[in-house]
Amino acid sequence: NAGVTQTPKFQVLKTGQSMTLQCAQDMNHEYMSWYRQDPGMGLRLIHYSVGAGITDQGEVPNGYNVSRSTTEDFPLRLLSAAPSQTSVYFCASSSDSLSYNSPLHFGNGTRLTVT
Amino acid sequence: AQKVTQAQTEISVVEKEDVTLDCVYETRDTTYYLFWYKQPPSGELVFLIRRNSFDEQNEISGRYSWNFQKSTSSFNFTITASQVVDSAVYFCALSEMGDSNYQLIWGAGTKLIIKP
Repeated sequence: NAGVTQTPKFQVLKTGQSMTLQCAQDMNHEYMSWYRQDPGMGLRLIHYSVGAGITDQGEVPNGYNVSRSTTEDFPLRLLSAAPSQTSVYFCASSSDSLSYNSPLHFGNGTRLTVT
Repeated sequence: AQKVTQAQTEISVVEKEDVTLDCVYETRDTTYYLFWYKQPPSGELVFLIRRNSFDEQNEISGRYSWNFQKSTSSFNFTITASQVVDSAVYFCALSEMGDSNYQLIWGAGTKLIIKP
């Protein structure tokens, strides 16, 4: 069972570079989301999607873009990397688009360092 | 505003001891869900339990138990006879039916260290 797959696992960027973090799920989940995890701050929602073609901003969307052209994929784009974006990024999905009551299934995370 | 507080930043116990992780939440919604997730040293996040605001029954699953008390806005997690494999960061989270952003509000996490 693949579940939620994130690539890459590790990435180092220079300030100003752009890149895309990939996320794919094979569970036919409608809801997908991106979180960042920073020490002592729990997880913060960056962007989310309740279905193909629909995306919306979470708590910390600045500096990131997303798109959802298929149910399976939800890539996260860093437009111009900044050191403040050094973090661990998690993609998550759930079976219910009304995700308030559905557990999240997480990918294994991408550790991003911006120098 | 909604908030989840895990006041214990780090707990260290010796194997076989019982340990309780505290979670206190704030919400104005009457319908909400509470969750616990585990993040072992390998880094993945694993769902442990979900509880809705209308179900105050305690839950037991093996060595794990959860105590939900609306009167004190708490959803505490107890591990009985702890084992080294329980070492992880544990997160409590809250979601509200009235939140159109479908956001989970996360606590900062409690790092649990079980020493052999």
